[in-house]
Amino acid sequence: LAKTTQPISMDSYEGQEVNITCSHNNIATNDYITWYQQFPSQGPRFIIQGYKTKVTNEVASLFIPADRKSSTLSLPRVSLSDTAVYYCLVVMDTGRRALTFGSGTRLQVQP
Amino acid sequence: NAGVTQTPKFRVLKTGQSMTLLCAQDMNHEYMYWYRQDPGMGLRLIHYSVGEGTTAKGEVPDGYNVSRLKKQNFLLGLESAAPSQTSVYFCASGQDYNSPLHFGNGTRLTVT
Repeated sequence: LAKTTQPISMDSYEGQEVNITCSHNNIATNDYITWYQQFPSQGPRFIIQGYKTKVTNEVASLFIPADRKSSTLSLPRVSLSDTAVYYCLVVMDTGRRALTFGSGTRLQVQP
Repeated sequence: NAGVTQTPKFRVLKTGQSMTLLCAQDMNHEYMYWYRQDPGMGLRLIHYSVGEGTTAKGEVPDGYNVSRLKKQNFLLGLESAAPSQTSVYFCASGQDYNSPLHFGNGTRLTVT
């Protein structure tokens, strides 16, 4: 199964906007793109989900181009507490329903 | 509403011993998943279930067995533990494959 591709790590400073892009060339027609956040020693936590165009909630925005082969998670004005690993999750094989995670992006926010 | 509960939280096994990890969810979700996460690595799917009585293999199923006899419970078994199975195990559930996943707090397993 083809997986998603994300940058391994990113660095930022408090107050900056952070954009993390995920490539998913083999996304299936009916499938959503979901992003999770994971802190050390905890299970991942749902951040945002979308199908196309733009989705915004109280913590993030998700931008999805028309071809849906990639998506960008945008975190506005990050703080130290946003230091975590971020995963995008896409169902690559609709028939099997196996949800496989990529390696994630480790975001380090500096003061 | 407890969400997803994993037991035990910690366990130490000797090579060759067996054990069962329990995952329980109270959200009436159809889909349940078992992942393992090695230090500094991402999550890898072990087995999953799309409904009561069903199970399927994920990316790394060897050395593990699962059962979903009741909708709310998903059990992960290690028949003969090996040091390579030292990891943190996470259970997750979702209403369907496109729904956000709810994760438990993990079971930290060490095999010596």
